[in-house]
Amino acid sequence: NAGVTQTPKFRVLKTGQSMTLLCAQDMNHEYMYWYRQDPGMGLRLIHYSVGEGTTAKGEVPDGYNVSRLKKQNFLLGLESAAPSQTSVYFCASSRRTVGRVNTEAFFGQGTRLTVV
Amino acid sequence: QKEVEQDPGPLSVPEGAIVSLNCTYSNSAFQYFMWYRQYSRKGPELLMYTYSSGNKEDGRFTAQVDKSSKYISLFIRDSQPSDSATYLCAMITNDYKLSFGAGTTVTVRA
Repeated sequence: NAGVTQTPKFRVLKTGQSMTLLCAQDMNHEYMYWYRQDPGMGLRLIHYSVGEGTTAKGEVPDGYNVSRLKKQNFLLGLESAAPSQTSVYFCASSRRTVGRVNTEAFFGQGTRLTVV
Repeated sequence: QKEVEQDPGPLSVPEGAIVSLNCTYSNSAFQYFMWYRQYSRKGPELLMYTYSSGNKEDGRFTAQVDKSSKYISLFIRDSQPSDSATYLCAMITNDYKLSFGAGTTVTVRA
């Protein structure tokens, strides 16, 4: 039972390079999220998805794009990396519940990205 | 201005003390209020959640919500060194926008 798996775990990029972070969940969850975590800033929502083929902007979407072509995968892309995007990136997922909003999100182990 | 405000601390207390954490929020669309706990180099995990204004207890943990003041709190009684972690408040809207506070780092000294 893998839960939420993020690939890669670590990455160093040069300014201007592009990359894609992959989040995969095996729990058949409908909702998926991408966050970045910086010291003193907590978890800031980048983009999220409420279902396959749908995405929505979060608090800090600029410089990032996402896609949810398959229910189990949520991809985060950086088209032209900048030093300000150095951070720890977390993916999370949660399932749809009937009658109330589900409050439990399951997180991956994080991706440490450094842009030099 | 962030929708969810939380003092990042850090907070250091002796073993057995009561730990008090709080958050304020500005978005009235938030319907559910949660506390997540995060250990170093790990992803956050759900600790407690509440829906309505009032108190909710779970063992040594008590969560409070005051919707009229847009203020939530978490109290940890008889704190233990194993409670040392970062505690993040979180809130979610009915359309599943899940937002977090900055997190407060707590150290319980033995």
